[in-house]
Amino acid sequence: AQRVTQPEKLLSVFKGAPVELKCNYSYSGSPELFWYVQYSRQRLQLLLRHISRESIKGFTADLNKGETSFHLKKPFAQEEDSAMYYCAITQGGSEKLVFGKGTKLTVNP
Amino acid sequence: GAVVSQHPSWVICKSGTSVKIECRSLDFQATTMFWYRQFPKQSLMLMATSNEGSKATYEQGVEKDKFLINHASLTLSTLTVTSAHPEDSSFYICSATWGRVDHEQYFGPGTRLTVT
Repeated sequence: AQRVTQPEKLLSVFKGAPVELKCNYSYSGSPELFWYVQYSRQRLQLLLRHISRESIKGFTADLNKGETSFHLKKPFAQEEDSAMYYCAITQGGSEKLVFGKGTKLTVNP
Repeated sequence: GAVVSQHPSWVICKSGTSVKIECRSLDFQATTMFWYRQFPKQSLMLMATSNEGSKATYEQGVEKDKFLINHASLTLSTLTVTSAHPEDSSFYICSATWGRVDHEQYFGPGTRLTVT
């Protein structure tokens, strides 16, 4: 079965510092990986997906199949990045998302 | 574009009663809608997948007779919690997609259900 692990429930950094939110997955096939973000009092929204290899709001994530990881990174965190971040996976061909437990990022001024 | 709404945003009901939650795709036709449940400070757990015009597919451990899902049109899916109990109190979230290759799902704002 697919599983997504986000080892950090909480992550706190200062504004301007680099941030990395960890995500590891277990799946034997070819996964599709996503990062979703939920800002305070807002709905869940897609931040980025590995197949597009794009950078959104300064965030990037690289799929490392050897380490089965898809860590989310940003070189200089901003206060508005404070939110709940969820890593998610679908198996090839399926639309069903399996979410990690999420990491709450707080960027302090 | 790609907005999903839910109604109501919160509801309180008495134990034993049923409550219906609506999920609508406002500006697109959703071939597939998903229903999730989120417990406080926990992740989203997929309950069921709903395709227009067909029966919903429930995840293991989810009681289909308790959580009735209807996807009667390409813009509306409903979740009815039947004979609700306090342990059904939770945050219910729907999402919708129209079969995009990248599988992006658009999420509703969620419905807070409290069963007293």
